[in-house]
Amino acid sequence: GAVVSQHPSRVICKSGTSVKIECRSLDFQATTMFWYRQFPKQSLMLMATSNEGSKATYEQGVEKDKFLINHASLTLSTLTVTSAHPEDSSFYICSVRLLAFYEQYFGPGTRLTVT
Amino acid sequence: AQSVTQLDSQVPVFEEAPVELRCNYSSSVSVYLFWYVQYPNQGLQLLLKYLSGSTLVKGINGFEAEFNKSQTSFHLRKPSVHISDTAEYFCAVSSILNDYKLSFGAGTTVTVRA
Repeated sequence: GAVVSQHPSRVICKSGTSVKIECRSLDFQATTMFWYRQFPKQSLMLMATSNEGSKATYEQGVEKDKFLINHASLTLSTLTVTSAHPEDSSFYICSVRLLAFYEQYFGPGTRLTVT
Repeated sequence: AQSVTQLDSQVPVFEEAPVELRCNYSSSVSVYLFWYVQYPNQGLQLLLKYLSGSTLVKGINGFEAEFNKSQTSFHLRKPSVHISDTAEYFCAVSSILNDYKLSFGAGTTVTVRA
C-alpha cells in the first residue's frame, strides 16, 4: 500500500493564529487526497477532498474559508486552519486514494490543540 | 445514499479467544467494503477489503471477513486474539453513489485481556 506522512504530528497554538498541516504521499502520485477530522472516541468525519491542480471540494457544513486546502503537487496536500479557536482542537487525518483499487491509505494524524 | 452500522461499540475479549465484529451496510448499488484498525493516537491501517470475487476475504494479522450480500453484512473475525489486537476497528463502505469516498461506521473498541 501507499505510505503517507503528516507533519507535524502534534501542534499547540494560541487562539486566533493559523496552523498548517502537511500531508505527503511518499511512494505514490496522488491526484486525490482526503482530509478527515476525528473527535475523541468518535469516527472519522470527512472534511474535504483535495484534488491536485484544482480547488478542493468541501463536505456540507465545513467552512472552506476556515479550513484552507492546497494540493499543489501530486505528493503534497496542505490543510491550514485559519484563526483557530479551541473548538478546532481535534485529530486531523489525511488519506491518499489509489484509484485502481478504490482503497485509501491514511497518514498517522496530527493532534491540534488550540489554547 | 449509503451507510454503515457497526452493531457493537465495545467488545471485551480474553487473549487467545475468538472475536467477531459485526458490520452491516445499506446501499442501492454495488459497494466496496473495508475494515480498518486504529491504534491510539495513530492513523488508520487497512486490515482487508472486499472489491469483488470470493466473499471470504483474508487480511493482515490473521483477520478475515465474509461478505454476505443477502444480509448486507461484512463481519470481521479472528480465531485467536492477542493483547496487541487491542484497538479501535472501523468498517467502511464506498460506491459510485458517493464518488467512492469512504463512509465509516461508528467504530468498535476491542479490548483484549490476559
